[in-house]
Formats: sequence, structure tokens, C-alpha cells
Amino acid sequence: SQQGEEDPQALSIQEGENATMNCSYKTSINNLQWYRQNSGRGLVHLILIRSNEREKHSGRLRVTLDTSKKSSSLLITASRAADTASYFCATGLNNAGNMLTFGGGTRLMVKP
Amino acid sequence: DAGVIQSPRHEVTEMGQEVTLRCKPISGHNSLFWYRQTMMRGLELLIYFNNNVPIDDSGMPEDRFSAKMPNASFSTLKIQPSEPRDSAVYFCASTRTGNTEAFFGQGTRLTVV
Repeated sequence: SQQGEEDPQALSIQEGENATMNCSYKTSINNLQWYRQNSGRGLVHLILIRSNEREKHSGRLRVTLDTSKKSSSLLITASRAADTASYFCATGLNNAGNMLTFGGGTRLMVKP
Repeated sequence: DAGVIQSPRHEVTEMGQEVTLRCKPISGHNSLFWYRQTMMRGLELLIYFNNNVPIDDSGMPEDRFSAKMPNASFSTLKIQPSEPRDSAVYFCASTRTGNTEAFFGQGTRLTVV
């Protein structure tokens, strides 16, 4: 079964608005990563947050991690039509070597 | 570096035929993953290797699937015999060290008719 689950499954917003996607997971983790996938392409890494971090920023991206609730959120500020893609969280598990497991993803559509 | 290279990009085959998917990880990366993506089941981890050794193959659906990594620069995923329900996009990814950024190939879109 998948370790991470994203919410919502689909999100449609207007350009300029902020987009927030959530991820919940089940077991303890070393880190949590967010990836983006454009239609028909491979996944591209966006940002990694370690289990001892609570918040991280990268450009228009802001990621939070709450290990007590086993949840993370990805915020994209001032969205652009080019942000239209699917976004996945992936968890790096403790004592599982390099294994990364992915959630079901959130399909984001940003309307111009 | 050219990134993770997968071949072929598209494969159409008849049910019962053997299919071999290939992956060249990024040089210097010591972990390699095979994933399968479908609309119904999302992105599933099939197997991963660390230093060419299979570590966890619990995601391999059944005995028709097998994966090898004979050296640090090459891996194969084989399906024999193939079935229509194997139709999916298969991704290969590699990482340098434990639990860090994974680099994905462009995927192989497999259609079994």
C-alpha cells in the first residue's frame, strides 16, 4: 500500500492564486520530498524536507512538515499556468535504505 | 550527464510476448528504482537495487516480472509472458545516497494488446 496520500486529488485555480496540497503518511520517515510530473513526462524533484525540519522554502514553494500528525503541505504561491501538473509526495522511510514510496498525487490545473 | 536513460520510449506488443525494458542510471548513483504508473493504481514501486543488489522486490506483481542489475550502469525489467493488464508507464529512477533526490527517466509506455 502507498505510504503517502495526497489531498485533494484534483485542484483547479486561477492564475495568481495560491495552491495548497496536503500529504499524509503512515510510518516514521527520514525525510519527505515533493515531486512534479508534467503530462507524459517523468517526475522531477522539487524540494526535500528532513524529519527534524518544520518548514522549508524554495522560490514560490513552501513546504511544511508536522511529524506528530504525519502530514506535510506544499504551497505554491502566485500560481502560473505553467504550474499545471501533477504533484506527488514521497517518503523516505527509516531503516529502509534508499526506498522512496509515492502517494497518489494531486492534479493541479492553473487557468490563465 | 544525460540523466536517467530508458529504452524504448514506447513498446506495443502482443499478449504472451516477452518484453524487456532497459535503464541506464546516472553515473555515480548507487540506488536504482523501477516504478509502474497507471491511472488506477498510481505510482507503484516494483523493486529497488542498492549497489546492484536487489533490496526489496515486494512490489513485483508476480513471477512473470523479473529485474536484474548486472552492473552499476545498466538494469533491465522483464515481463514474460506479458498480459494486457501490464499496460502502464514504467519508470526507472536513481539516487546517489540514501533518501535523497531521485532522478527519473522519461519512462517506457507499454501497451500489451
